[in-house]
Amino acid sequence: DVKVTQSSRYLVKRTGEKVFLECVQDMDHENMFWYRQDPGLGLRLIYFSYDVKMKEKGDIPEGYSVSREKKERFSLILESASTNQTSMYLCASSLPPRANEQFFGPGTRLTVL
Amino acid sequence: GQNIDQPTEMTATEGAIVQINCTYQTSGFNGLFWYQQHAGEAPTFLSYNVLDGLEEKGRFSSFLSRSKGYSYLLLKELQMKDSASYLCAVRWGSTLGRLYFGRGTQLTVWP
Repeated sequence: DVKVTQSSRYLVKRTGEKVFLECVQDMDHENMFWYRQDPGLGLRLIYFSYDVKMKEKGDIPEGYSVSREKKERFSLILESASTNQTSMYLCASSLPPRANEQFFGPGTRLTVL
Repeated sequence: GQNIDQPTEMTATEGAIVQINCTYQTSGFNGLFWYQQHAGEAPTFLSYNVLDGLEEKGRFSSFLSRSKGYSYLLLKELQMKDSASYLCAVRWGSTLGRLYFGRGTQLTVWP
């Protein structure tokens, strides 16, 4: 059974803290994605990676960075958390090149105070 | 741009049929996906269309017209558990598997 896991379901951080969100998939997928989801705005892509050490900016990369040192793990980093980064963060993975499906993790609800 | 339009909200009653529409920009189109997302949960894959026509999977069907930039998700014999957000997502060109998501349609099924 396919599995994408995220390190936390709920996280509360303070403004200015450095925040790490971890995502691990066990399907040997090349592609991995980080989204944030906000009411009325839908899913917006922050960053994605199509191979180890490779990354591409999505639509809203400002304030975020990513790391992909191993194929199965894709980390999202908030260098200095701000209140406007309070959101639901979803990780997904898929097989290239004509991937027919993205598999999503359960999400991390991040609150920045 | 990659505009994807779908209604914000829909309501229906148990046992009924509902059709959720999605329109998108046709240039470079390379596949359309429907996902279901229950409140507080991750999206789960429902269907994939890349050729014109209807794909049926149990109570759910998805239709695509590439020339019109139009798709719909048809849900039959609605059940309370079908209350969820339905996301339309499009892949354009060879965008390394990247999908662009619409804002979702919140479906409420009433008894």
